[in-house]
Amino acid sequence: DSGVTQTPKHLITATGQRVTLRCSPRSGDLSVYWYQQSLDQGLQFLIQYYNGEERAKGNILERFSAQQFPDLHSELNLSSLELGDSALYFCASSPLGESPETQYFGPGTRLLVL
Amino acid sequence: AQSVAQPEDQVNVAEGNPLTVKCTYSVSGNPYLFWYVQYPNRGLQFLLKYITGDNLVKGSYGFEAEFNKSQTSFHLKKPSALVSDSALYFCAVRKGQLTFGSGTQLTVLP
Repeated sequence: DSGVTQTPKHLITATGQRVTLRCSPRSGDLSVYWYQQSLDQGLQFLIQYYNGEERAKGNILERFSAQQFPDLHSELNLSSLELGDSALYFCASSPLGESPETQYFGPGTRLLVL
Repeated sequence: AQSVAQPEDQVNVAEGNPLTVKCTYSVSGNPYLFWYVQYPNRGLQFLLKYITGDNLVKGSYGFEAEFNKSQTSFHLKKPSALVSDSALYFCAVRKGQLTFGSGTQLTVLP
């Protein structure tokens, strides 16, 4: 158990809908990262937050957004969902967000868009 | 830009035999290299990392990895494979953000 929790574990929704994925980092970790894992794109970095502020952006679509709250949990919002958004979404955390800190991953949320 | 290549999609090895999962990287400057393992329906678990120092890094579950700067490689190794080692293995490099390879499915045959 990494100490990173994600809810829900599974999510099934329809195209055009909006969903929110939630992540609670390890106790004391200030940085949260979001990743998408799909068969065709592999494991891709989406976005990083540090202590409530956006720190870095990766291959995140404009339909997607995230935020980190004062209690350090984070939410990833996916809107206008398309079939291709079906994937496993992971969050990870680390103490400060600096290289070469190890990132610890949550169990993921499996999203299926029908 | 940084990148990681895992040239083998699939590696099969007999239980008790040594295993190697290959990884090469491309990054400017000194690399920070990581190995993660993903079991079915689970998240990624950290195995080991190389920052600096000894080229042979020891990690969890008896795994180790050898950093080779001249060959820009960071191969994952284990002297004696277990059936329970069967999983998907990812190599990653971090300079700024973490960039993952495409993954190698390791199957250890009983």
